[in-house]
Amino acid sequence: GIQVEQSPPDLILQEGANSTLRCNFSDSVNNLQWFHQNPWGQLINLFYIPSGTKQNGRLSATTVATERYSLLYISSSQTTDSGVYFCAGGSSASKIIFGSGTRLSIRP
Amino acid sequence: EAEVAQSPRYKITEKSQAVAFWCDPISGHATLYWYRQILGQGPELLVQFQDESVVDDSQLPKDRFSAERLKGVDSTLKIQPAELGDSAMYLCASSQLELMGYEQYFGPGTRLTVT
Repeated sequence: GIQVEQSPPDLILQEGANSTLRCNFSDSVNNLQWFHQNPWGQLINLFYIPSGTKQNGRLSATTVATERYSLLYISSSQTTDSGVYFCAGGSSASKIIFGSGTRLSIRP
Repeated sequence: EAEVAQSPRYKITEKSQAVAFWCDPISGHATLYWYRQILGQGPELLVQFQDESVVDDSQLPKDRFSAERLKGVDSTLKIQPAELGDSAMYLCASSQLELMGYEQYFGPGTRLTVT
């Protein structure tokens, strides 16, 4: 089945900095999502992005399906951006697999 | 905005007891997923339903776990008997039919503690 790897596992930044989170997947996917897990454990949808680029405010994401990776960009980080970011990938032939997450800490 | 509902939000139970979780997906979503998330890890799929049919339960410990979605709408996940290692967050998600793209939407989860 698909393997999903996220990097870095941990990231500590000062408020206002920009960050890039990476997700590599081992095989072709037709489903790729980015989530932010809040302190109460709920997974908040950020992007559904099997290919291409999307932007939502300070966040944007790019998936290059042919090269099997996706990037999540956070600009002008705020303390409220802290938490764990997950990517999840799947295909018609494989169930959805989550990466192990990137724990982002934004210091004031 | 439509949401996935789950209950209870928190559950504390003693080992060897039975426990059940309930999930109500977004209206019109044919696919329902149950995930287990152990602290510090990503969610792991336990079971996936398409309407009332199970399409993947390969990671469901069938000796103690069961799941049903009798009318193809809401679903129940049961553990009997609970073990200490079952302490985790149990997440429910739903999506539209795969052919329409299957962006998943998650409920708030049930945090289970087995003592």
